[in-house]
Amino acid sequence: NAGVMQNPRHLVRRRGQEARLRCSPMKGHSHVYWYRQLPEEGLKFMVYLQKENIIDESGMPKERFSAEFPKEGPSILRIQQVVRGDSAAYFCASSPPTGNTYEQYFGPGTRLTVT
Amino acid sequence: SQQGEEDPQALSIQEGENATMNCSYKTSINNLQWYRQNSGRGLVHLILIRSNEREKHSGRLRVTLDTSKKSSSLLITASRAADTASYFCATDARNTDKLIFGTGTRLQVFP
Repeated sequence: NAGVMQNPRHLVRRRGQEARLRCSPMKGHSHVYWYRQLPEEGLKFMVYLQKENIIDESGMPKERFSAEFPKEGPSILRIQQVVRGDSAAYFCASSPPTGNTYEQYFGPGTRLTVT
Repeated sequence: SQQGEEDPQALSIQEGENATMNCSYKTSINNLQWYRQNSGRGLVHLILIRSNEREKHSGRLRVTLDTSKKSSSLLITASRAADTASYFCATDARNTDKLIFGTGTRLQVFP
């Protein structure tokens, strides 16, 4: 029973390029959450998605960031025209379709470095 | 901001000693959880305490929750070098689906 999978684990992008981060939730989970962790800080909520729906994007920057969770395939966090301030660890979590959404299981994270 | 704060920011102790970390939060909660994060790695869930619970144990971990003070503490007894990590509390506020993380305590246990 594989856990939450994220890829790539490390991503280096130059300023202005696009970054695509992927998250495959645990088997049977249909809720996905993305969090960002800046160096020496705690995780900050970005977005909560269910299949084909964005439920809560209150933590997403207004520009350049988008997220999707299609009917088939992984959830994607997309950052367009990256800037140095986007350098961070991005964590995905998933939770089961019923019950409590606090039961979030975290992936290993993608560490984005913008040069 | 709903983000909690943890105290101390950093803690260094010798193996065998106990380590206590505190977390404060701002809003009413359903549950409070503690996570560990080794340097450069993902989060490991340690323990969850519900808002109607006051204390919970798991192995060498003891968590308390005081909802009147909006605070929680994590006690690691008989610490080991392998306990060296950052520890975060996370709350799920009522009527929301997201976890709100504290700023973390960096624990270093010297052998």
